[in-house]
Amino acid sequence: DTGVSQDPRHKITKRGQNVTFRCDPISEHNRLYWYRQTLGQGPEFLTYFQNEAQLEKSRLLSNRFSAERPKGSFSTLEIQRTEQGDSAMYLCASSGEGGSKNTEAFFGQGTRLTVV
Amino acid sequence: AQKVTQAQTEISVVEKEDVTLDCVYETRDTTYYLFWYKQPPSGELVFLIRRNSFDEQNEISGRYSWNFQKSTSSFNFTITASQVVDSAVYFCALISGGYNKLIFGAGTRLAVHP
Repeated sequence: DTGVSQDPRHKITKRGQNVTFRCDPISEHNRLYWYRQTLGQGPEFLTYFQNEAQLEKSRLLSNRFSAERPKGSFSTLEIQRTEQGDSAMYLCASSGEGGSKNTEAFFGQGTRLTVV
Repeated sequence: AQKVTQAQTEISVVEKEDVTLDCVYETRDTTYYLFWYKQPPSGELVFLIRRNSFDEQNEISGRYSWNFQKSTSSFNFTITASQVVDSAVYFCALISGGYNKLIFGAGTRLAVHP
């Protein structure tokens, strides 16, 4: 399978705990995105990497959230001191270099986080 | 400001009916891209189509067709002869400006009944 892979698929955590999610993009893609999707809504942009550089962060990404992409390969999204409002589906996507032919983002199956 | 509006929250049809999903977008940029994604119950977003702002030609792919009209800022999606497997949430999205950040609408849940 050469698609975008996310791990874990599901995570249940107690309020106040830290959680970390992993995303493995399509291997030849240098752009990586994190989105958050709450029930009944469309995905909302969180952050974007081009190679290892984090080039954009949404205001949705509070200081409890941090994302990394060491060596421009896989990425991790960490949430510290989780709150119930963090419960959502966290989606990762990747795309190739810009240009008209490869601006499509391909999404992983997401990590569903439930904070109890 | 950039925004995508999908006014239809839920649509229910009987198999073999045609159905159109509406999408209206807002952007001040002259160069932008429009997308449709399908999200089945499994959760993964499946890419369906991309159009750029300079190409208003409508597109047909099998039972799917898309009508892009810049004059009304709309990018509507029609499924002809719907099937139960078409049941999913469909999202319209916009890329406008840098970094290829997708701006999604709230989605339209389509239920196709046998």
